Amino acid sequence: DARVTQTPRHKVTEMGQEVTMRCQPILGHNTVFWYRQTMMQGLELLAYFRNRAPLDDSGMPKDRFSAEMPDATLATLKIQPSEPRDSAVYFCASGSSTGYGYTFGSGTRLTVV
Amino acid sequence: AQTVTQSQPEMSVQEAETVTLSCTYDTSENNYYLFWYKQPPSRQMILVIRQEAYKQQNATENRFSVNFQKAAKSFSLKISDSQLGDTAMYFCAFMRGYGGSQGNLIFGKGTKLSVKP
Repeated sequence: DARVTQTPRHKVTEMGQEVTMRCQPILGHNTVFWYRQTMMQGLELLAYFRNRAPLDDSGMPKDRFSAEMPDATLATLKIQPSEPRDSAVYFCASGSSTGYGYTFGSGTRLTVV
Repeated sequence: AQTVTQSQPEMSVQEAETVTLSCTYDTSENNYYLFWYKQPPSRQMILVIRQEAYKQQNATENRFSVNFQKAAKSFSLKISDSQLGDTAMYFCAFMRGYGGSQGNLIFGKGTKLSVKP
């Protein structure tokens, strides 16, 4: 089965450090999302791309977060500097323009201490 | 703006019995999709079932079926013959349809389902 690959699976870092999370979407999928999951807020959209162009990043704190798709096989989410409130599970998901929903990666559990 | 509400934070069911999870949504759109995702303790998000708003027929996937009431903006999930492996968080999600292309998934807060032996 095709899958969305996220790395790393777990990350523990100190406050103030830079964190980069990576996602390899399913080949042929032209839409890529980044979601954040916390107990308090649930699943929140951070950013999404279609055909590698950013379409919406209104859910992302612009001062510290950035999302890019340098090519069709890689999406990155970067936090600099990281803060304890960024501790969450970050999911990448990809899909195509068919209305069949999205396939999620296994997520990156980020802990900022 | 669209919203999705799951009013049951937790539910439990005995193995082999049937359980229904509720979901309501609010939208002024006419073209949209609805989904149920399952998140077991492994945290993987798994698509369970999808419904296209323009289809009146309720979607069914093996033991999972939905009751889609468009006028009431209700989209409940029925799980028949519950199995221990169905223990998970279940998220209802809404997505606008832009013709042939997809929009953002908007999730409810989830319902934690426990299947008891």
